[in-house]
Amino acid sequence: KQEVTQIPAALSVPEGENLVLNCSFTDSAIYNLQWFRQDPGKGLTSLLLIQSSQREQTSGRLNASLDKSSGRSTLYIAASQPGDSATYLCAVDSSYKLIFGSGTRLLVRP
Amino acid sequence: GAGVSQTPSNKVTEKGKYVELRCDPISGHTALYWYRQSLGQGPEFLIYFQGTGAADDSGLPNDRFFAVRPEGSVSTLKIQRTERGDSAVYLCASSLSQGHNLPNEQFFGPGTRLTVL
Repeated sequence: KQEVTQIPAALSVPEGENLVLNCSFTDSAIYNLQWFRQDPGKGLTSLLLIQSSQREQTSGRLNASLDKSSGRSTLYIAASQPGDSATYLCAVDSSYKLIFGSGTRLLVRP
Repeated sequence: GAGVSQTPSNKVTEKGKYVELRCDPISGHTALYWYRQSLGQGPEFLIYFQGTGAADDSGLPNDRFFAVRPEGSVSTLKIQRTERGDSAVYLCASSLSQGHNLPNEQFFGPGTRLTVL
């Protein structure tokens, strides 16, 4: 059974800092991995999708990497801003349905 | 273009009542998914439709939960004899579902917050 773990559960950093969020999964037989952002009381916004054949994806200040064999993904956020404060969720797709981690709650202090 | 929409945004009901939650996917998306999210947790899969048929309903917790997508577009999640433990945010997502050789990016709606008193 696929299980997804995100570390840390919460993170508080000063504005401008570069940071890394971690995601691990137990079954490496995945089709893709997706990173989402969730603001309080809102739905999920897709940030990046990495296919199983890819190693990384970049969008603006965000870079996500995937090491399928070791069951790990990282989301790197460069030059963090207060507007980046949200919960970040990773999810793996192994059979169309997504299996989510519990998320990392990020606070970027001005 | 319009994203995934869900109605109502909030639903408060009493224990034992019946509720329906609606999802309008992105136009042209053949796949539709329902998830449930409890406070402080990631979403949990409930059911997945490919067109009109339920391709995977393994996440439905029991037979009080049922979902339909009669014309391959709008979907309704139906919960009978609601219980307090059903309180959660119900999220709907859709995707193009072009097969596993192409990205199956799922796009989520804002959710319906269900509260069972």
